[in-house]
Amino acid sequence: DVKVTQSSRYLVKRTGEKVFLECVQDMDHENMFWYRQDPGLGLRLIYFSYDVKMKEKGDIPEGYSVSREKKERFSLILESASTNQTSMYLCASIPQDPAQAFFGQGTRLTVV
Amino acid sequence: RKEVEQDPGPFNVPEGATVAFNCTYSNSASQSFFWYRQDCRKEPKLLMSVYSSGNEDGRFTAQLNRASQYISLLIRDSKLSDSATYLCVVSRNTNAGKSTFGDGTTLTVKP
Repeated sequence: DVKVTQSSRYLVKRTGEKVFLECVQDMDHENMFWYRQDPGLGLRLIYFSYDVKMKEKGDIPEGYSVSREKKERFSLILESASTNQTSMYLCASIPQDPAQAFFGQGTRLTVV
Repeated sequence: RKEVEQDPGPFNVPEGATVAFNCTYSNSASQSFFWYRQDCRKEPKLLMSVYSSGNEDGRFTAQLNRASQYISLLIRDSKLSDSATYLCVVSRNTNAGKSTFGDGTTLTVKP
């Protein structure tokens, strides 16, 4: 079974803090993605990566950055957390083929 | 207008009922279509892909209408365990990760 693991299920941070969300997959997948999920807005793509050290902006990259130094690990960074970044963050991993996305269990981040 | 639209529901149905969800998409270049299921406070998981000819997996039937740009999911003989949110996913290529997700339709099946 593919396993996508996110480092925390719940996280509470203060405004202005730098926040790291880690995601690790164990199936040697090329592609990894970070989404946020909010009521009424669905899942929105923040950043994605098709290879090590490669990253591309998704639909809502503002306020975020990412790092992919190793194939299995894709990190999402909030440089200076703000209250509007309170959300559920989901990491996904997929192989080149087939196209099914495997999601991590999610990190519910609250910024106070 | 959202790129992928779903009726948010909630749909409340009795056990054994047949229920259908529709999802419309605006980009005619879309190539791949999926239904995901998301249980409360859990991550989304693939339920089924949607093929042009329509496809069935047990009690679940998915259909695609390219002309009208919508996909549908039919659940027959609903079970309590079918209670979840169903997400419609549309992709412009075969890469399901770089896709547009609908907001989801919530289904509650009652005894």
